[in-house]
Amino acid sequence: QLQLQESGPGLVKPSETLSLTCTVSGGSISSSSYYWGWIRQPPGKGLEWIGSIYYSGSTYYNPSLKSRVTISVDTSKNQFSLKLSSVTAADTAVYYCARDIEWANWFDPWGQGTLVTVSS
Amino acid sequence: NFMLTQPHSVSESPGKTVTISCTRSSGSIASNYVQWYQQRPGSAPTTVIYEDNQRPSGVPDRFSGSIDSSSNSASLTISGLKTEDEADYYCQSYDSSNRGVFGGGTKLTVL
Repeated sequence: QLQLQESGPGLVKPSETLSLTCTVSGGSISSSSYYWGWIRQPPGKGLEWIGSIYYSGSTYYNPSLKSRVTISVDTSKNQFSLKLSSVTAADTAVYYCARDIEWANWFDPWGQGTLVTVSS
Repeated sequence: NFMLTQPHSVSESPGKTVTISCTRSSGSIASNYVQWYQQRPGSAPTTVIYEDNQRPSGVPDRFSGSIDSSSNSASLTISGLKTEDEADYYCQSYDSSNRGVFGGGTKLTVL
């Protein structure tokens, strides 16, 4: 059964770069037809797609975040990562990673999520 | 870019049927698949409907999805409501430039 697990610092200072990693188990990140995505949810608010990556390195980013986002993949470790630069308090959120099923742009399954707080 | 608009909240009694709408602001709702996710407090979202009207294994057939081109909207219908269905529900679709557009979410109260 495919499982995803987010990891990374829970506290980031304003203006710094948020970095998270998602480890995929129970399946290969190099599977065709699947992208791997990041989605976030500010406390008490809705879901926002951040971006997705294919195992080859091809990426799609949310146009509203594109200038600050970098998503990369490490197939040898079965991991993909998120970097979000110049963070502010508005970037405080639970960050989820999920498999992004290419033909339907369907996110399933999701990791449990990790809360990242931006504060000095 | 387009938006997906959902009602902020709905409520209904156990055993009844409720429908949650998701209206696409521009572009055809039929052009791209719509997914529906259930999110209980403190948990990650899980899929209840994918590809407009398909149920993943393990999701009861009380959950159904549809699209209506005349109103440019998708709908999630839950019949035979149970208290365990109380959760937030999000619709999601996409277009060529944005792989993940989510609706604002609907809080379902089963009272």
